[in-house]
Amino acid sequence: KAGVTQTPRYLIKTRGQQVTLSCSPISGHRSVSWYQQTPGQGLQFLFEYFSETQRNKGNFPGRFSGRQFSNSRSEMNVSTLELGDSALYLCASSPPGGSYEQYFGPGTRLTVT
Amino acid sequence: AQSVTQPDIHITVSEGASLELRCNYSYGATPYLFWYVQSPGQGLQLLLKYFSGDTLVQGIKGFEAEFKRSQSSFNLRKPSVHWSDAAEYFCAVASYSSASKIIFGSGTRLSIRP
Repeated sequence: KAGVTQTPRYLIKTRGQQVTLSCSPISGHRSVSWYQQTPGQGLQFLFEYFSETQRNKGNFPGRFSGRQFSNSRSEMNVSTLELGDSALYLCASSPPGGSYEQYFGPGTRLTVT
Repeated sequence: AQSVTQPDIHITVSEGASLELRCNYSYGATPYLFWYVQSPGQGLQLLLKYFSGDTLVQGIKGFEAEFKRSQSSFNLRKPSVHWSDAAEYFCAVASYSSASKIIFGSGTRLSIRP
């Protein structure tokens, strides 16, 4: 099975712009979670989608949003980018059946200038 | 609130030596506990997990971890490290009610001395 894929892998944006990141989960996985990783704050949970519905949410401002499509692919959007949004954004998918394992993609490295 | 503490920011061990990475968690009930590894420029890979049952958990790549409720710890061990084990290791906790909302520790960077 193919792993979790994230596109693009690298992105450079300017402050004030918006960005959309994409995540394709492992086939058969319906839960997709997003995390932000920075040197200062570490790994922080953004949100989780299951069957096109947001099921859990972390403590991030409303500029961070996401959605999930019927094929379980997910996108996250960050509007009005700030310098502090520079980070590695990781997506993870979970198999059905309650195993609670998360399989991570390689991440998208976002740099805001 | 749930939290995870990894007291060691950076550890260096010699190749072939044993390894123990420390992890302490704070959570009211029995948590779900995980160890992940991240190589430079890569995503995270699950090494092992504990949900219930036997408190000594075996994982991939020869790693094991022991859940000690009395000490609120979930330390990761390996009897003999290899140069390829150099990476960042993250301990994490989740609750039954929000199992997808994983709280990660700050990580321990492992370097291997030849």
